[in-house]
Amino acid sequence: QVQVAESGGGLVKPGGSLRLSCAASGFTFSDYYMTWFRQAPGKGLEWVSYISSSGSTIYYADSVKGRFTISRDNAKNSLFLQMNSLRADDTAVYYCARGLSVAGADYWGQGTLVTVSS
Amino acid sequence: QSALTQPASVSGSPRQSITISCTGTSSDIGGLDYVSWYQQYPGRAPKLIIHEVKNRPSGVSDRFSGSKSGNTASLTISRLQAEDEAVYYCASYSSIKPPFLFGGGTKLTVL
Repeated sequence: QVQVAESGGGLVKPGGSLRLSCAASGFTFSDYYMTWFRQAPGKGLEWVSYISSSGSTIYYADSVKGRFTISRDNAKNSLFLQMNSLRADDTAVYYCARGLSVAGADYWGQGTLVTVSS
Repeated sequence: QSALTQPASVSGSPRQSITISCTGTSSDIGGLDYVSWYQQYPGRAPKLIIHEVKNRPSGVSDRFSGSKSGNTASLTISRLQAEDEAVYYCASYSSIKPPFLFGGGTKLTVL
């Protein structure tokens, strides 16, 4: 069955960096867009970034542009999110999800918590 | 402030039907058929329940249905059950703010 699972979250100081990973299984990873979303504590969902199946098309939310980098390794069925210059308002649960192109995201991981605090 | 507008809360009794609205613009909901809806329980990951306005993924109950009129999309849940109590988010692709906008979420209470 389709599964995606995030890892790499944790506590980091403001200005620090963190790299999130997402391991995918149960589907042909290289055929699908992949997306990162996040949800701050007690808040709603926010789209962060997406990457096309080949990696040739990438978009970022304005709130993370220039600080976050999405990438993928189709040979290893893995998605990544490199997060630099982290700020307190980046504190959130980060979700990896399989994309339905631009039509949404159909399978989500359980999320990994990133806490930015001194 | 979210890009798409949803009511903060709705409620209904078991076996009744409720509708949650989601209002955007002609650059997103009104101009494209890429509206999706997600159900989220506390502490859990979101689950896709509707995509491309009205399509249900395999395994999603047919009590959930989606529609769109102009710049407003709607999610209708019929024959309400206690297990439907959750937060529901709408989302849409946008042609001017690529690629994904969310509503602020609607908390459904089953009375």
